[in-house]
Amino acid sequence: EVQLVESGGGLVQPGGSLRLSCAASGFTFSNYWMHWVRQAPGKGLVWVSRITSDGSNIAYADSVKGRFTISRDNAKNTLYLQMNSLRAEDTAVYYCARVHFSGGANDNWGQGTLVTVSS
Amino acid sequence: DIVMTQSPDSLAVSLGERATINCKSSQSVLYSSTNKNHLAWYQVKPGQPPKLLIYWASNRESGVPDRFSGSGSGTDFTLTISSLQAEDVAVYYCQQYYSVPVIFGQGTRLEIK
Repeated sequence: EVQLVESGGGLVQPGGSLRLSCAASGFTFSNYWMHWVRQAPGKGLVWVSRITSDGSNIAYADSVKGRFTISRDNAKNTLYLQMNSLRAEDTAVYYCARVHFSGGANDNWGQGTLVTVSS
Repeated sequence: DIVMTQSPDSLAVSLGERATINCKSSQSVLYSSTNKNHLAWYQVKPGQPPKLLIYWASNRESGVPDRFSGSGSGTDFTLTISSLQAEDVAVYYCQQYYSVPVIFGQGTRLEIK
């Protein structure tokens, strides 16, 4: 069974940092592209970042470019999101999501981890 | 960036009736070399992660009931629920994955009339 488990969320002050992790199991993690997607309270889904299977190609939403860094450790079956210079508008549930084997769509999602940026 | 616009923003349908949600992209998401539309539909229920329903605009994900179907090409797409069930109450999102940034529609809230 495919499982994605996020961790690392919490309360942080504006300007602070957090590192999210997404532990993958039940599939060959190193074969799949991965995304981070977020959802602010009461709002819609917003794509944050994407990384290819070998980590060689990365993309970010403009809203996080220069502040967030996506990475992966295929030996540990883990995806990461380093978040720096956090702002109140970064408050959201952050999901990691696997890209479908045929490409593009996100076929498996974690339960999400809540990040709250507040003083 | 591609803009994805869903209509309506909310929808109330009687049990057993058809529900139709539309999604329009600001530019074509049809990749000519593969003839595939890079468009997906998701269902989001409160407190749960998104669930993939449809990919490549019309391919139903494994395990998704056949009352859900997707159609359209280029810039105009539709998600249809042929006979609404109580468990279908949710917010539905379209997503383009033709190019980065990946963009979701604003969502359509589906309720029972």
